[in-house]
Amino acid sequence: GAGVSQSPRYKVAKRGQDVALRCDPISGHVSLFWYQQALGQGPEFLTYFQNEAQLDKSGLPSDRFFAERPEGSVSTLKIQRTQQEDSAVYLCASSLNRGNEKLFFGSGTQLSVL
Amino acid sequence: KQEVTQIPAALSVPEGENLVLNCSFTDSAIYNLQWFRQDPGKGLTSLLLIQSSQREQTSGRLNASLDKSSGRSTLYIAASQPGDSATYLCAVPYSGAGSYQLTFGKGTKLSVIP
Repeated sequence: GAGVSQSPRYKVAKRGQDVALRCDPISGHVSLFWYQQALGQGPEFLTYFQNEAQLDKSGLPSDRFFAERPEGSVSTLKIQRTQQEDSAVYLCASSLNRGNEKLFFGSGTQLSVL
Repeated sequence: KQEVTQIPAALSVPEGENLVLNCSFTDSAIYNLQWFRQDPGKGLTSLLLIQSSQREQTSGRLNASLDKSSGRSTLYIAASQPGDSATYLCAVPYSGAGSYQLTFGKGTKLSVIP
């Protein structure tokens, strides 16, 4: 596609619900990243994929967070048993090669947990 | 642990003024530094990427400089326009295990007054 696409744009969940956030990176991009951005803060790293391999998940806040990229293109970030502190904007980014280069970000999914 | 600080947190200038945004980082062993722009409710757009071997990069009215030894970067915007109003973030690769994991500052919110 022309850019990184994320869906849904907005998600409201009741505390305890599971949510799934989708990212469709630029076609052919090897690297895919998930970041979490709280209001008034810079994005914080969650996880990194190189093709279908999840090479780094050190930023995932807890074992309630799970990400996958099974075919090396579309990625899904899943949050189980959501809590209020999970409320944030979740940004997906991709880059052509193995990271450490120009990143292309999607518009994000704004998650609100009530 | 890499820490990134941006000063000022907010800046308001009249149209046409030249301005400088500042970014400092604690660990100078970086591969590169990126400046991003974020519009309200949107993702991030990469403006400039400076490799560690470079001292500056230019794109149109934007010029970014990098001084690794002092842990500083500046983003210079010439002849500012109302369309430049946005939040500007700098980011450096995390100095730990993976150079692809970016650490962001909190950003400088710029308002250019017509």
